[in-house]
Amino acid sequence: AQTVTQSQPEMSVQEAETVTLSCTYDTSESDYYLFWYKQPPSRQMILVIRQEAYKQQNATENRFSVNFQKAAQSFSLKISDSQLGDAAMYFCAWPDYTGANSKLTFGKGITLSVRP
Amino acid sequence: DSGVTQTPKHLITATGQRVTLRCSPRSGDLSVYWYQQSLDQGLQFLIQYYNGEERAKGNILERFSAQQFPDLHSELNLSSLELGDSALYFCASSVAGTSPGNTIYFGEGSWLTVV
Repeated sequence: AQTVTQSQPEMSVQEAETVTLSCTYDTSESDYYLFWYKQPPSRQMILVIRQEAYKQQNATENRFSVNFQKAAQSFSLKISDSQLGDAAMYFCAWPDYTGANSKLTFGKGITLSVRP
Repeated sequence: DSGVTQTPKHLITATGQRVTLRCSPRSGDLSVYWYQQSLDQGLQFLIQYYNGEERAKGNILERFSAQQFPDLHSELNLSSLELGDSALYFCASSVAGTSPGNTIYFGEGSWLTVV
């Protein structure tokens, strides 16, 4: 079965510092996408970034970037210049293929706190 | 604002009752997904509809049902409610349901509390 694993339940970072959130996955697919979602205290699920597996270049969205290592099946999220508003739960997500359809399967999430 | 609208935002009801959660997808999106988020189970996929047809089923209880209407809005019906059904229910939508690169956008969720 294809799985997504986030092994760190909690992390903390000092404001303005950089933090990396880890995610590993297990798949036999060769072409796929991976996503990171943020869930702040408001509980809304917000798309942070997505990575296409066939692209060599790591995705970047402003202060958020991905360290994608396909061979190791690792998909880490790096947050640079951390801000208080980055405090949230972060979920790694994988489009799980069933026939001709895809749905997102989420990891258990990482709670990130930002220290002022 | 993701463009996905869910109502109601909060709902408190008694055990044994039935409730309906409503979702309007983003304009142009044909696919609707329902997810349940509880404290101990994380985010669980319930069901997906694409242009009115059921496309994928996840961990949805038999007491729960959903449908997608011709105008593409969707409803999730929860019946014979139990305390353990208390959770945040998300609706999400995407343009299509068949592309692996689909970006799926989430609504703000409906908080259900069963007392």
